[in-house]
Order: sequence, then C-alpha cells, then structure tokens
Amino acid sequence: DAKTTQPPSMDCAEGRAANLPCNHSTISGNEYVYWYRQIHSQGPQYIIHGLKNNETNEMASLIITEDRKSSTLILPHATLRDTAVYYCIVRVAITDKLIFGTGTRLQVFP
Amino acid sequence: DAMVIQNPRYQVTQFGKPVTLSCSQTLNHNVMYWYQQKSSQAPKLLFHYYDKDFNNEADTPDNFQSRRPNTSFCFLDIRSPGLGDAAMYLCATSRDGRDNEQFFGPGTRLTVL
Repeated sequence: DAKTTQPPSMDCAEGRAANLPCNHSTISGNEYVYWYRQIHSQGPQYIIHGLKNNETNEMASLIITEDRKSSTLILPHATLRDTAVYYCIVRVAITDKLIFGTGTRLQVFP
Repeated sequence: DAMVIQNPRYQVTQFGKPVTLSCSQTLNHNVMYWYQQKSSQAPKLLFHYYDKDFNNEADTPDNFQSRRPNTSFCFLDIRSPGLGDAAMYLCATSRDGRDNEQFFGPGTRLTVL
C-alpha cells in the first residue's frame, strides 16, 4: 500500500479555510485517497474520498493533483468543532483495509 | 439511528486475566473490523471479518482473537492481556469493504493493571 506524508500539525483561524496537504507520491492507478478525522476520544469519522477527480460534499472538498501524487483536503469555513487529527489514507480499491498514517493535528482557534 | 455500538466504553482488567470487548451494529454491514489505537498513535488494524470469513493481519499477536457469531455482533478476545495491550480498541463496519466508507464506534478504552 502506498504511504502518505502529512505535516504533524496545523493551525487555522475560525471561519477561515483550512487546507490540509497530503503527499502520496507512490500511489498506484487503482488506489483511492481517503480522508478521515478523529476528534479527541472519539472513533474516526469518514470525510471524503476520491480517485482522480476533485470531490466535494457537505463536509469538505478534496483536490487531487493531475499526477495524483498529492492531494489537499479543504474545510471551507473551519469551526472550533473541526479541531481534530486528520488522516490521509491511500487505499487499494479491491481491499477492505485502511492503513492509517500519522495524520495532521488541526487546531482551530477563535 | 443506525450505528456501531461498543461496550463497555471503559474496561479495566488485570495482567493476564482474559477480557472480551464487544461490538454491535445496526447497519447490517457485511464487514466488521477491529483496530487498536495506543496513546498518541494512529489506529492499527488487527483483523476483520468479511461476512463469516476471518482475515487476520500478519503482525497481529496470537494473544488477540475474534468471534463473529452473527452479522450484528463481533467480539475481541484478549487471552492474556499484558501492560502493552492497554489501548483504545475501535470497532468499525463497512457495507461490502471495497469502495465504501467505514463507520467507527466510539471505542473501548482498556486499562491493564
């Protein structure tokens, strides 16, 4: 499974966009990019996933570069409740497994 | 609401005393997973069931076992807990595993005395 690299921590002001980068330079053609987050003392929560195209849902947007070697998760208007560890995961389409990396700890401040 | 339920939320056991953690789901999903998350670390997959088929991760210690008596329930058995097994244990489900999101329970925090 391809590995991901994320910055260990980031800060974001409340109301501003939070842009969380992820590098996955060894990604293969059939591997999806998934994002989960984990708020303190809770189970991880699915955010979004994509293969090639940019994706948007009610929680976030996922921008994947054309060469698919990196991606950015965008929280358009961060709130204090978005403070969490965000995990970028590369997942092979035919497997059932998520292999979590170290994640980015996002702190949203007032 | 459909959900993944883990009981208990907090479990204390003694060194070497067997312990069982439980997970139930109302989502009717085919796949159930168990993860171990130690303090300040990412979740690590221990094993998963695709329906009744058990899939163990290569580096999961033999001390950890699992049972899935029916679609709704899955158990994690730790036969002889050591101090290093203290962690949060997370249960998750997915509809059929492939391109579906996983739904996580709140976890059970295990303390080993």
